[in-house]
Amino acid sequence: TQLLEQSPQFLSIQEGENLTVYCNSSSVFSSLQWYRQEPGEGPVLLVTVVTGGEVKKLKRLTFQFGDARKDSSLHITAAQPGDTGLYLCADNSGGSNYKLTFGKGTLLTVNP
Amino acid sequence: SQTIHQWPATLVQPVGSPLSLECTVEGTSNPNLYWYRQAAGRGLQLLFYSVGIGQISSEVPQNLSASRPQDRQFILSSKKLLLSDSGFYLCAWSLGHGRQPQHFGDGTRLSIL
Repeated sequence: TQLLEQSPQFLSIQEGENLTVYCNSSSVFSSLQWYRQEPGEGPVLLVTVVTGGEVKKLKRLTFQFGDARKDSSLHITAAQPGDTGLYLCADNSGGSNYKLTFGKGTLLTVNP
Repeated sequence: SQTIHQWPATLVQPVGSPLSLECTVEGTSNPNLYWYRQAAGRGLQLLFYSVGIGQISSEVPQNLSASRPQDRQFILSSKKLLLSDSGFYLCAWSLGHGRQPQHFGDGTRLSIL
């Protein structure tokens, strides 16, 4: 079973700061999805990356997929309190076309 | 547009009592359906998934079961709840293969006393 490691586990920053969170695996990702989950709600998809070296931008969020497709990063510029939440990465390399394996997530708190 | 409904939003049950959580999807046909459990706001543990009516795959052996009586209905059940069954239960749907995104309900917070 593929394991996805996310770091850091917890991150608390001030509004306006930049941050990067990471998702790594010892195996090659088939594709990688990033989700954000706000307290008391279900996760919501942010982006899917498929090609090694791919970079996708979503407003102040920049997602990067490693050339070898074994790691990914999410960079947030000028963080805002609304960015607070649990950031999860997920991959479907676990031997089934229908299942996703999720990392444990990075819990981000942006203080005003 | 597609929507997913989970209920109830919160539930408090005594140890040993039965459980039934329901999830329905609207606006799509033949979705893949999933039940996850999330402990303490951390990663998601896949419990069951279904690719069609009556087809259930179990990921973690435990005292929970799942059923899919209709195309867009997914039910999570237990005959006797344990303290360790407490957690946040999420239902999700997707179409096609695993690269397709999963769409989650708002979850059920289950507390066992």
